[in-house]
Amino acid sequence: EADIYQTPRYLVIGTGKKITLECSQTMGHDKMYWYQQDPGMELHLIHYSYGVNSTEKGDLSSESTVSRIRTEHFPLTLESARPSHTSQYLCASSELGRSSGNTIYFGEGSWLTVV
Amino acid sequence: KQEVTQIPAALSVPEGENLVLNCSFTDSAIYNLQWFRQDPGKGLTSLLLIQSSQREQTSGRLNASLDKSSGRSTLYIAASQPGDSATYLCAVRGSGNTPLVFGKGTRLSVIA
Repeated sequence: EADIYQTPRYLVIGTGKKITLECSQTMGHDKMYWYQQDPGMELHLIHYSYGVNSTEKGDLSSESTVSRIRTEHFPLTLESARPSHTSQYLCASSELGRSSGNTIYFGEGSWLTVV
Repeated sequence: KQEVTQIPAALSVPEGENLVLNCSFTDSAIYNLQWFRQDPGKGLTSLLLIQSSQREQTSGRLNASLDKSSGRSTLYIAASQPGDSATYLCAVRGSGNTPLVFGKGTRLSVIA
């Protein structure tokens, strides 16, 4: 079973508020990811990291930012939330090397609603 | 740019049926392919991972095959059960440690 945790699971906030979605994993994985998924739609990669102090933007342009100060922690921040940011945000992690085949493990997701 | 397509988008079958979900990808230069299950409102659970050098992987009632040259993978579910109802996603990873590219998924309903 995967040991990757996301908080909060559900959040409703007002437009213009700052929000940080937390993601932690206890598997010692180097690679971590944030995906955005609207209901019934595909996952879009918005940010990823290969390790501490490494962050990259994904395929989908996002107004969010991420940081990777510790291996186990990969928070995502929206400085000024808008209704268009309403979505499910999924955090994931995997090992960097090839020994495990790079199986990716997902958290339960954070449902964000901006009103 | 890699594109992943899953057919059908939705499928409803009676309990006990054997079924096949299809996944195709445009760039055959992949490192591996992974099948996931997603329950409503939840994250993804990895079901099977096939390396580019492998032809198939099996886990219980699930069997996934890979034909890299033709850009196709299938997920076979034997003796389906209502508990199999979920969305099944296919994702491929290219060479060079690139992130996964996901399909839109197949939403499966198994009717008791």
